Amino acid sequence: GNSVTQMEGPVTLSEEAFLTINCTYTATGYPSLFWYVQYPGEGLQLLLKATKADDKGSNKGFEATYRKETTSFHLEKGSVQVSDSAVYFCALDTDKLIFGTGTRLQVFP
Amino acid sequence: KAGVTQTPRYLIKTRGQQVTLSCSPISGHRSVSWYQQTPGQGLQFLFEYFSETQRNKGNFPGRFSGRQFSNSRSEMNVSTLELGDSALYLCASSPDRAVQYFGPGTRLTVT
Repeated sequence: GNSVTQMEGPVTLSEEAFLTINCTYTATGYPSLFWYVQYPGEGLQLLLKATKADDKGSNKGFEATYRKETTSFHLEKGSVQVSDSAVYFCALDTDKLIFGTGTRLQVFP
Repeated sequence: KAGVTQTPRYLIKTRGQQVTLSCSPISGHRSVSWYQQTPGQGLQFLFEYFSETQRNKGNFPGRFSGRQFSNSRSEMNVSTLELGDSALYLCASSPDRAVQYFGPGTRLTVT
């Protein structure tokens, strides 16, 4: 079946460090891929998306490239801020959204 | 545009009771999906409604049900509550399922 695997957290970084959160997927067909972010006490917000192979989604300095050959959609940011502290979810969409387990990011000043 | 709203935001119920949660989608969105979020199981899909019809369903027992009204507002109902039903219930709306927009959730605690 379809599934998403994310790296375990928490990821702890100092401000301005480089961020990578790994995400790989298993799916039949050609799903759309997403990164959602959840801040404490809130629902999920769409961070970025990609709908086909080699597409790059980007938003607020975050980027992820849809790699069909490695079935990956890793999230990156060149310089994190304290305000980026949150839980990040990778997801794929075939006929419903399937989420990874989430990766907590903690950024310290 | 106003975002997805969910009511109530917090709810405490006793085992065996039933509960109804409400979701108002973004204006113009016809698809509403529900998800359960727990620390142990993560985010799990419950069901999706589109134009008052259930279009997709996750692997939850029949105690979990939902419906959608002609104005696209949706409700989900959980009967005979169990302790394990304690969770954050998230509603998401979409104009065409390309992207889903989530509400803040309803935090249900079953005691």
